[in-house]
Amino acid sequence: AQSVTQPDIHITVSEGASLELRCNYSYGATPYLFWYVQSPGQGLQLLLKYFSGDTLVQGIKGFEAEFKRSQSSFNLRKPSVHWSDAAEYFCAVGPGDGNKLVFGAGTILRVKS
Amino acid sequence: EAGVAQSPRYKIIEKRQSVAFWCNPISGHATLYWYQQILGQGPKLLIQFQNNGVVDDSQLPKDRFSAERLKGVDSTLKIQPAKLEDSAVYLCASSLFVSGGGHEQFFGPGTRLTVL
Repeated sequence: AQSVTQPDIHITVSEGASLELRCNYSYGATPYLFWYVQSPGQGLQLLLKYFSGDTLVQGIKGFEAEFKRSQSSFNLRKPSVHWSDAAEYFCAVGPGDGNKLVFGAGTILRVKS
Repeated sequence: EAGVAQSPRYKIIEKRQSVAFWCNPISGHATLYWYQQILGQGPKLLIQFQNNGVVDDSQLPKDRFSAERLKGVDSTLKIQPAKLEDSAVYLCASSLFVSGGGHEQFFGPGTRLTVL
């Protein structure tokens, strides 16, 4: 069965510091991977997605993620975090058509000044 | 471009009562999804519509949950009767299939349901 694990429930980083959010997946076929961000009281917004090709994917708001098949991972990174990045981040896996996504439990990012 | 609209934003009911949520997707989006997001968990797909037909409702508790999408636009999700464990945020999303890119799902702000 497909599943997504986000090992960190909470992460706190200082403004300007680098960020890495971890995501591990289990999927029976070629995985298509997504990162979403959810601000309080808001819906989820797509940050980036990996379908195929280059394993380093660039997204919006300066985020990037790297697909590592051997490690079943799709970690999200940002070189310098801004206070406005404080939110909850969800990793998701699904088929290539973007339907039937399975989400992880999320990681809450806190940014301290 | 207007986003996905949902109402109400908040609802508090007692167990065994009924409740309904409404969703208006982005204009032109043929696919509509309802998700349940329990506190501390990621969203879980309840039902997916393609136009006004159901594509996937395998995780919808059909003894108490129902959903419809009349005319392939707006959708309603109903719970009757509600249980304590139904307390969650109910998210609606819509998408448009793009050749070579698949579906990108756009989410509404959600309805937070509290069952007492």
